Amino acid sequence: DAKTTQPTSMDCAEGRAANLPCNHSTISGNEYVYWYRQIHSQGPQYIIHGLKNNETNEMASLIITEDRKSSTLILPHATLRDTAVYYCIVRARPDNTDKLIFGTGTRLQVFP
Amino acid sequence: AAGVIQSPRHLIKEKRETATLKCYPIPRHDTVYWYQQGPGQDPQFLISFYEKMQSDKGSIPDRFSAQQFSDYHSELNMSSLELGDSALYFCASSLFGQGYEQYFGPGTRLTVT
Repeated sequence: DAKTTQPTSMDCAEGRAANLPCNHSTISGNEYVYWYRQIHSQGPQYIIHGLKNNETNEMASLIITEDRKSSTLILPHATLRDTAVYYCIVRARPDNTDKLIFGTGTRLQVFP
Repeated sequence: AAGVIQSPRHLIKEKRETATLKCYPIPRHDTVYWYQQGPGQDPQFLISFYEKMQSDKGSIPDRFSAQQFSDYHSELNMSSLELGDSALYFCASSLFGQGYEQYFGPGTRLTVT
């Protein structure tokens, strides 16, 4: 699996968009980008995943660059409940049962 | 909606004792994963099962063993406990074909004294 690099921490004002970057320059053609988050000591939670097109769901948007070497997770209107560690994970096909390999992640602090 | 159930939620054991953690996946989910998260660390994959067969293995100590039963629940057995085994243990489940979304349980906090 390709290695990912994320900033250690970020701050965001409540109500503003939180943009979390991830570099995955060694991603291969069959690997997807996944985002999970972990609110303090809770089980990680799936957010979104994508291959090369931008994706959006009720939680967030995922923007993947054309060369697929980096991506950005966007939380459009951050709330205090979005304070968590966000993990960018690169992994093969989404329909299989592969494990998740968690890197260091970005600790997002949303402030009032 | 039903979630992944883990029991017990908290467990305190002494060194060299044995512990058994249980995981009940979301109904219809056929795959179970176990992860370990030490204090201040990120979750690390231990082992997974698909349709009651071991499907993958991570850095799980030989002192640990796990299995998935016919009703799809899973148990992680840990023997000769060491202080370093103190951690949060998460179980996750998924449905083959939708493996992008692993649903995590609330975790079992194991403290070894």
